[in-house]
Amino acid sequence: DIVMTQSPDSLAVSLGERATINCKSSQSVLYSSNSKNYLAWYQQRPGQPPNLLIYWASTRESGVPDRFSGSGSGTDFTLTISSLQAEDVAVYYCLQYYSTPHTFGQGTKLEIK
Amino acid sequence: QVQLVESGGGVVQPGRSLTLSCEASGFTFSRHAMIWVRQAPGKGLDWVALISDDGSRKFYGNSVEGRFTISRDYSKNTLYLQMNSLRPEDTAVYYCAKSVYGGSLFADYWGQGTLVTVSS
Repeated sequence: DIVMTQSPDSLAVSLGERATINCKSSQSVLYSSNSKNYLAWYQQRPGQPPNLLIYWASTRESGVPDRFSGSGSGTDFTLTISSLQAEDVAVYYCLQYYSTPHTFGQGTKLEIK
Repeated sequence: QVQLVESGGGVVQPGRSLTLSCEASGFTFSRHAMIWVRQAPGKGLDWVALISDDGSRKFYGNSVEGRFTISRDYSKNTLYLQMNSLRPEDTAVYYCAKSVYGGSLFADYWGQGTLVTVSS
């Protein structure tokens, strides 16, 4: 199975500042035949189901604010929130869907400093 | 709009069985793979199972392989998760989710979840 490791486990950022969350996979999730990275990012606010933010490592889901962006390829990926808003307080998860079983990172808890 | 409504959760004794349901609406059920994901209290997300759009392919997480069975009923637009030989570590909120396409890809819509508690 592919192991997904996120860093840090928790993060405190001031309002309006940049937040960066990293995700590393134990093997590449880049599919050579279509050059796509099979990596998604989800946001989970307290008491809510997960919400899709980013897929194919860098494609923003419709309706997601453009302050959210994804980058990376192969085994190393990053979710960046360019200017933190109060409503961004949540736990963020990466997911690889390159091979089954799909696997999530352990989550990164984002708080306001 | 897409709606996924889970049901069937509750308290069950270790070793017993339980079946969860997820009623889907707002999209063409037969064109999308469906997924179960669970979350133990205070813990992270755990991918449980996926069934392809046509039901021919089923995949399971290591912790449930051989004990859980995913299935779907196209006449009822409903996804199921039959859970056998339940263990205390299966205690979690179980989410039903819709995959973006028919195959093994990521989920774009999630239900609100149903809580399963395995305890004597």
